[in-house]
Amino acid sequence: QVQLVQSGSELKKPGASVKVSCKASGYTFTSYAMNWVRQAPGQGLEWMGWINTNTGNPTYAQGFTGRFVFSLDTSVSTAYLQISSLKAEDTAVYYCASLRPGYWGQGTLVTVSS
Amino acid sequence: QLVLTQSPSASASLGASVKLTCTLSSGHSSYAIAWHQQQPEKGPRYLMKLNSDGSHSKGDGIPDRFSGSSSGAERYLTISSLQSEDEADYYCQTWGTGIDVVFGGGTKLTVL
Repeated sequence: QVQLVQSGSELKKPGASVKVSCKASGYTFTSYAMNWVRQAPGQGLEWMGWINTNTGNPTYAQGFTGRFVFSLDTSVSTAYLQISSLKAEDTAVYYCASLRPGYWGQGTLVTVSS
Repeated sequence: QLVLTQSPSASASLGASVKLTCTLSSGHSSYAIAWHQQQPEKGPRYLMKLNSDGSHSKGDGIPDRFSGSSSGAERYLTISSLQSEDEADYYCQTWGTGIDVVFGGGTKLTVL
């Protein structure tokens, strides 16, 4: 069956970096774009952008440029989200999702605290 | 600007039906949307894609109690025979220019 399996929770200090992985299985990874979605505590879903799984070309939504980087390793059907210079307000659950077919990862909680 | 508008909350009784609404902004009434469910403390789950003509395709394992319909710029999610596990947040989502994505603010459904 189709699965998007994300890496585990992370606790980071302000200013550090984090890299979240999203491993796809059960379908052809390059068939669909991979999106990243943020959900801050108690808030709704916020689209961060997407990466073309064929070309590796990323597109970032407003507010997610500069410190956020999407990347791929197609050899292992995995997408990555890297966030640098972490701030307290980056504390959230981050989801990967292939939205056209409706596949979601289980989410990765990133907590930024000193 | 492409915006999806949802009521923040809705409620209905156990066993009853409820119809949730997602409204597309002016000029975007032909857009398809998707509905997603997020139960408490869980990740989102894809329910269906809903076209402007009301045709819809549901995700794997989604019960027949969930259905979609459309009228103009409005997209509806109807849940019949409400069960306690239907208490959740429901988000609509669409695709803008190219492949950009927009989410609605979500509707919190309470099952009484």
